[in-house]
Order: sequence, then structure tokens, then C-alpha cells
Amino acid sequence: ETGVTQSPTHLIKTRGQQVTLRCSSQSGHNTVSWYQQALGQGPQFIFQYYREEENGRGNFPPRFSGLQFPNYSSELNVNALELDDSALYLCASSLEGTSRETQYFGPGTRLLVL
Amino acid sequence: KQEVTQIPAALSVPEGENLVLNCSFTDSAIYNLQWFRQDPGKGLTSLLLIQSSQREQTSGRLNASLDKSSGRSTLYIAASQPGDSATYLCAARSWDDKIIFGKGTRLHILP
Repeated sequence: ETGVTQSPTHLIKTRGQQVTLRCSSQSGHNTVSWYQQALGQGPQFIFQYYREEENGRGNFPPRFSGLQFPNYSSELNVNALELDDSALYLCASSLEGTSRETQYFGPGTRLLVL
Repeated sequence: KQEVTQIPAALSVPEGENLVLNCSFTDSAIYNLQWFRQDPGKGLTSLLLIQSSQREQTSGRLNASLDKSSGRSTLYIAASQPGDSATYLCAARSWDDKIIFGKGTRLHILP
């Protein structure tokens, strides 16, 4: 158990809809990163938040956005869903004061876009 | 642009054998390299993290090495067990906090 939880575990949406995925980090973990993992692939970095500010982003369009809250929870929002957005979405948190140590991953949310 | 490659993509070995998983990266200017395990449909479990100043890390039957000059890391698993069956991923973290993952090696330990 990593102490990182995600909700929901599974989600089905249709193309064009919007979705919000949630992550709850361990207390004290002020850095959270979000990843998209397509079937058979390694996770792809979406973005990272540190103390409620985005401080790094991968090659994902602006319709992928996020929020981090003071209570160590965070959200990933995806607008105008496309079929290719179907994937496992993982969040990972790391220890307060540094973003450079071991990342602890949640179990993921599996999103299916029809 | 950092690229991380893992070879082989899949591996089946009999129980009890020692094995080596390989990870290569194109940009040697990494901050650290981390090995993870992923069970089917699950999240990732951190196994070992090697800082750029280190050469290896050990945890139980696992040993990970890092050679930045050649852009390679290996994960050595001793005395493999059926419970070791999973996908193993390596991830290179850059100094600007971007993490690039390989596609993983699917390991199957035969009882």
C-alpha cells in the first residue's frame, strides 16, 4: 500500500464529454504527477504540481488540465474527450520539500471513451 | 529528448533462475533512475531508486545498477519466484523533473 488513492477506479465516457479524475496523496506529499498509460505502453508524463502550481508538463494539449489542493488531493480534468484518451490514468506523489525522491503511485483510473 | 528503451519486451524463465532486465537511456544527464513493478491492471510499485551519483542499489533479491556514461541500467533478480511475474518498468528523471518511462519488460516465471 502506497497511501495514494484514486477515484473512480473505472469510468466510461463518450467522445466530446468532459471527465474529472481524483487523487489523494499521502499527508505531507506536496508534489503530485499525473501519467497516461495506454495498453502495452509505459506511462506518459502529463504534468506535475508542486504546492498547488503546475511546474512541469509533458506533450499533452491544453484540454488536459489539473488542480492541486492544500489537503494533498488533486484532480485531472480532460475536456472534449477523444477515443485515444482511453487509458489508465495514474497519479504519483512524492515527499514534501522535494520532487526528486521516490514517487508513490496510486492504483489508477481506467478510462474508456466510446 | 530523452528516450528510454527496455529489452527484452517479454521474458519467460523457470523458477529459481537468476535474471537481468535491461534499460537504456539516450540522455546521460539524468537526476535519478527508478525501477518499478506493475501487476496487470494495477498501479506501479517502486522497487529501487538510484541517484545519479550512485552506481547501484540493493533490496532483498533485487539489485539495480546504473552506468550513466553508457546510458544503461540493469535490474538483477536473484532466485526468481512465480510471484515475481509482472511487468518491470524503468524511468529516468531529468534535472527539470520530467520522468520518462520505458515500455517495460513483461516477466513470466514458470513454476
